Amino acid sequence: AQSVAQPEDQVNVAEGNPLTVKCTYSVSGNPYLFWYVQYPNRGLQFLLKYITGDNLVKGSYGFEAEFNKSQTSFHLKKPSALVSDSALYFCAVRGNNRLAFGKGNQVVVIP
Amino acid sequence: KAGVTQTPRYLIKTRGQQVTLSCSPISGHRSVSWYQQTPGQGLQFLFEYFSETQRNKGNFPGRFSGRQFSNSRSEMNVSTLELGDSALYLCASSRTGDVNTEAFFGQGTRLTVV
Repeated sequence: AQSVAQPEDQVNVAEGNPLTVKCTYSVSGNPYLFWYVQYPNRGLQFLLKYITGDNLVKGSYGFEAEFNKSQTSFHLKKPSALVSDSALYFCAVRGNNRLAFGKGNQVVVIP
Repeated sequence: KAGVTQTPRYLIKTRGQQVTLSCSPISGHRSVSWYQQTPGQGLQFLFEYFSETQRNKGNFPGRFSGRQFSNSRSEMNVSTLELGDSALYLCASSRTGDVNTEAFFGQGTRLTVV
Protein backbone atom coordinates (compact mmCIF):
# COMPACT_ATOMS: atom_id res chain seq x y z
CA ALA A 1 0.00 0.00 0.00
CA GLN A 2 1.23 3.48 -0.73
CA SER A 3 1.61 6.03 1.98
CA VAL A 4 3.25 9.34 2.82
CA ALA A 5 4.67 10.62 6.07
CA GLN A 6 4.93 14.18 7.24
CA PRO A 7 7.22 14.00 10.26
CA GLU A 8 6.60 17.43 11.75
CA ASP A 9 3.32 18.58 13.26
CA GLN A 10 4.08 22.28 13.00
CA VAL A 11 6.59 24.40 11.17
CA ASN A 12 7.30 27.91 12.42
CA VAL A 13 9.13 30.32 10.15
CA ALA A 14 9.74 34.07 10.17
CA GLU A 15 8.25 36.07 7.33
CA GLY A 16 10.75 36.42 4.53
CA ASN A 17 12.68 33.30 5.48
CA PRO A 18 12.72 30.11 3.42
CA LEU A 19 9.95 27.63 4.15
CA THR A 20 10.34 23.85 3.94
CA VAL A 21 7.66 21.28 4.65
CA LYS A 22 8.89 17.70 4.65
CA CYS A 23 7.30 14.63 3.13
CA THR A 24 8.54 11.10 2.57
CA TYR A 25 6.71 8.47 0.60
CA SER A 26 6.40 4.72 0.31
CA VAL A 27 5.07 3.22 -2.93
CA SER A 28 5.41 0.13 -5.03
CA GLY A 29 6.06 1.31 -8.55
CA ASN A 30 6.23 4.88 -9.77
CA PRO A 31 5.29 7.61 -7.32
CA TYR A 32 2.62 10.16 -8.21
CA LEU A 33 2.93 12.85 -5.58
CA PHE A 34 0.89 15.92 -4.77
CA TRP A 35 0.88 18.85 -2.37
CA TYR A 36 -2.30 20.54 -1.18
CA VAL A 37 -2.94 23.47 1.16
CA GLN A 38 -5.95 23.98 3.39
CA TYR A 39 -7.07 27.25 4.96
CA PRO A 40 -9.43 27.23 7.98
CA ASN A 41 -12.89 25.87 7.22
CA ARG A 42 -12.05 25.43 3.55
CA GLY A 43 -11.39 22.56 1.20
CA LEU A 44 -7.99 21.59 -0.11
CA GLN A 45 -6.30 23.64 -2.81
CA PHE A 46 -3.96 21.95 -5.26
CA LEU A 47 -0.41 23.36 -5.22
CA LEU A 48 1.69 21.08 -7.42
CA LYS A 49 2.36 17.53 -8.52
CA TYR A 50 5.21 15.25 -9.51
CA ILE A 51 4.46 12.67 -12.16
CA THR A 52 7.73 12.25 -14.04
CA GLY A 53 10.54 14.35 -15.43
CA ASP A 54 12.37 17.16 -13.65
CA ASN A 55 12.98 16.62 -9.98
CA LEU A 56 12.17 20.26 -9.21
CA VAL A 57 8.49 20.96 -9.69
CA LYS A 58 7.10 24.48 -9.70
CA GLY A 59 3.57 25.18 -8.53
CA SER A 60 1.14 27.85 -7.46
CA TYR A 61 1.81 30.87 -5.22
CA GLY A 62 5.60 30.59 -5.54
CA PHE A 63 5.81 27.08 -4.11
CA GLU A 64 8.06 24.38 -5.49
CA ALA A 65 8.88 20.84 -4.48
CA GLU A 66 11.95 18.70 -4.85
CA PHE A 67 11.55 15.03 -5.69
CA ASN A 68 14.38 12.82 -4.44
CA LYS A 69 14.08 9.19 -5.44
CA SER A 70 17.01 7.90 -3.41
CA GLN A 71 15.67 9.49 -0.23
CA THR A 72 12.01 8.83 -1.17
CA SER A 73 11.22 12.43 -0.33
CA PHE A 74 9.10 15.17 -1.84
CA HIS A 75 9.70 18.30 0.23
CA LEU A 76 7.70 21.45 -0.37
CA LYS A 77 9.64 24.72 -0.45
CA LYS A 78 9.15 28.43 -0.79
CA PRO A 79 12.11 30.81 -0.94
CA SER A 80 10.45 33.62 1.03
CA ALA A 81 7.47 32.89 3.29
CA LEU A 82 4.52 35.26 3.63
CA VAL A 83 2.17 35.59 6.60
CA SER A 84 -0.62 34.55 4.24
CA ASP A 85 1.14 31.18 3.75
CA SER A 86 0.06 30.19 7.27
CA ALA A 87 -2.14 27.15 6.70
CA LEU A 88 -2.28 23.35 6.85
CA TYR A 89 -0.23 21.57 4.19
CA PHE A 90 -0.85 18.03 3.02
CA CYS A 91 1.37 15.73 1.02
CA ALA A 92 -0.40 12.93 -0.86
CA VAL A 93 0.34 9.97 -3.11
CA ARG A 94 -2.10 8.81 -5.75
CA GLY A 95 -2.93 5.25 -6.72
CA ASN A 96 -5.85 2.80 -6.86
CA ASN A 97 -8.21 5.67 -7.72
CA ARG A 98 -7.54 7.39 -4.42
CA LEU A 99 -5.27 9.89 -2.72
CA ALA A 100 -3.49 8.77 0.43
CA PHE A 101 -2.70 11.80 2.56
CA GLY A 102 -0.15 12.51 5.22
CA LYS A 103 -1.35 13.84 8.56
CA GLY A 104 -0.64 17.41 7.54
CA ASN A 105 1.72 20.11 8.69
CA GLN A 106 0.56 23.32 10.29
CA VAL A 107 2.71 26.15 8.97
CA VAL A 108 2.88 29.31 11.04
CA VAL A 109 4.60 32.31 9.45
CA ILE A 110 5.58 34.84 12.09
CA PRO A 111 5.48 38.51 11.08
CA LYS B 1 -15.06 27.69 -14.77
CA ALA B 2 -17.04 26.77 -11.68
CA GLY B 3 -15.29 24.70 -9.06
CA VAL B 4 -16.51 21.72 -7.09
CA THR B 5 -19.71 22.58 -5.26
CA GLN B 6 -20.80 20.81 -2.10
CA THR B 7 -24.13 21.28 -0.40
CA PRO B 8 -25.02 21.93 2.28
CA ARG B 9 -22.00 23.64 3.86
CA TYR B 10 -23.11 22.93 7.41
CA LEU B 11 -25.39 20.30 8.87
CA ILE B 12 -26.45 19.35 12.38
CA LYS B 13 -28.07 15.96 12.88
CA THR B 14 -29.11 13.80 15.80
CA ARG B 15 -27.70 10.37 16.53
CA GLY B 16 -29.60 7.66 14.70
CA GLN B 17 -30.69 9.92 11.85
CA GLN B 18 -29.46 9.66 8.31
CA VAL B 19 -27.93 12.34 6.11
CA THR B 20 -27.31 12.90 2.42
CA LEU B 21 -24.53 15.14 1.14
CA SER B 22 -24.29 16.38 -2.42
CA CYS B 23 -21.36 17.14 -4.70
CA SER B 24 -21.33 18.74 -8.15
CA PRO B 25 -17.99 18.23 -9.88
CA ILE B 26 -16.21 20.56 -12.25
CA SER B 27 -17.79 20.44 -15.68
CA GLY B 28 -16.22 17.64 -17.75
CA HIS B 29 -14.89 15.78 -14.73
CA ARG B 30 -16.13 12.22 -14.51
CA SER B 31 -14.36 11.03 -11.38
CA VAL B 32 -15.68 11.99 -7.95
CA SER B 33 -14.10 10.97 -4.67
CA TRP B 34 -15.19 11.48 -1.09
CA TYR B 35 -13.00 11.97 1.98
CA GLN B 36 -13.68 12.34 5.67
CA GLN B 37 -11.53 14.75 7.64
CA THR B 38 -11.31 14.66 11.42
CA PRO B 39 -8.68 16.06 13.80
CA GLY B 40 -7.80 12.61 15.07
CA GLN B 41 -7.75 10.55 11.88
CA GLY B 42 -6.84 13.19 9.31
CA LEU B 43 -8.06 12.69 5.76
CA GLN B 44 -9.58 9.27 5.13
CA PHE B 45 -10.72 8.01 1.75
CA LEU B 46 -14.37 6.93 1.56
CA PHE B 47 -15.03 5.98 -2.07
CA GLU B 48 -14.49 6.94 -5.67
CA TYR B 49 -16.94 6.92 -8.58
CA PHE B 50 -16.34 7.13 -12.28
CA SER B 51 -19.14 7.11 -14.84
CA GLU B 52 -21.66 5.99 -12.22
CA THR B 53 -19.54 3.04 -11.10
CA GLN B 54 -17.83 2.74 -7.76
CA ARG B 55 -14.20 1.91 -8.50
CA ASN B 56 -12.76 1.90 -5.03
CA LYS B 57 -13.92 1.98 -1.45
CA GLY B 58 -12.14 2.86 1.77
CA ASN B 59 -12.37 1.20 5.14
CA PHE B 60 -15.67 2.52 6.38
CA PRO B 61 -18.73 0.62 7.64
CA GLY B 62 -21.66 -0.09 5.36
CA ARG B 63 -23.55 2.84 6.89
CA PHE B 64 -21.55 4.99 4.48
CA SER B 65 -22.71 4.73 0.91
CA GLY B 66 -22.63 6.79 -2.23
CA ARG B 67 -23.73 7.02 -5.79
CA GLN B 68 -23.03 8.96 -8.93
CA PHE B 69 -25.53 10.13 -11.48
CA SER B 70 -25.25 10.29 -15.24
CA ASN B 71 -24.34 14.00 -15.07
CA SER B 72 -21.40 13.07 -12.75
CA ARG B 73 -23.01 14.65 -9.71
CA SER B 74 -22.54 12.51 -6.63
CA GLU B 75 -24.22 11.98 -3.32
CA MET B 76 -23.06 10.24 -0.20
CA ASN B 77 -25.35 8.95 2.47
CA VAL B 78 -24.67 8.08 6.07
CA SER B 79 -27.33 6.12 7.90
CA THR B 80 -27.79 5.61 11.63
CA LEU B 81 -25.50 8.51 12.50
CA GLU B 82 -23.06 8.20 15.37
CA LEU B 83 -21.30 10.93 17.30
CA GLY B 84 -18.03 9.83 15.72
CA ASP B 85 -19.35 10.67 12.26
CA SER B 86 -18.95 14.36 13.05
CA ALA B 87 -16.41 15.54 10.51
CA LEU B 88 -15.70 17.65 7.49
CA TYR B 89 -16.71 15.68 4.40
CA LEU B 90 -14.80 16.65 1.30
CA CYS B 91 -15.61 15.85 -2.29
CA ALA B 92 -12.98 15.95 -5.02
CA SER B 93 -13.33 15.73 -8.77
CA SER B 94 -10.86 14.98 -11.52
CA ARG B 95 -11.16 14.50 -15.22
CA THR B 96 -10.47 10.77 -15.21
CA GLY B 97 -9.17 9.84 -11.78
CA ASP B 98 -5.96 8.57 -13.36
CA VAL B 99 -2.81 8.68 -11.28
CA ASN B 100 -1.35 11.63 -13.17
CA THR B 101 -4.37 13.90 -12.77
CA GLU B 102 -4.85 16.24 -9.88
CA ALA B 103 -8.07 16.26 -7.90
CA PHE B 104 -9.90 19.49 -7.13
CA PHE B 105 -11.72 19.75 -3.85
CA GLY B 106 -14.92 21.42 -2.79
CA GLN B 107 -15.18 23.46 0.38
CA GLY B 108 -16.69 20.57 2.26
CA THR B 109 -19.76 19.85 4.33
CA ARG B 110 -19.30 20.21 8.06
CA LEU B 111 -21.46 17.55 9.71
CA THR B 112 -22.11 17.74 13.43
CA VAL B 113 -23.88 14.83 15.10
CA VAL B 114 -25.42 15.60 18.50
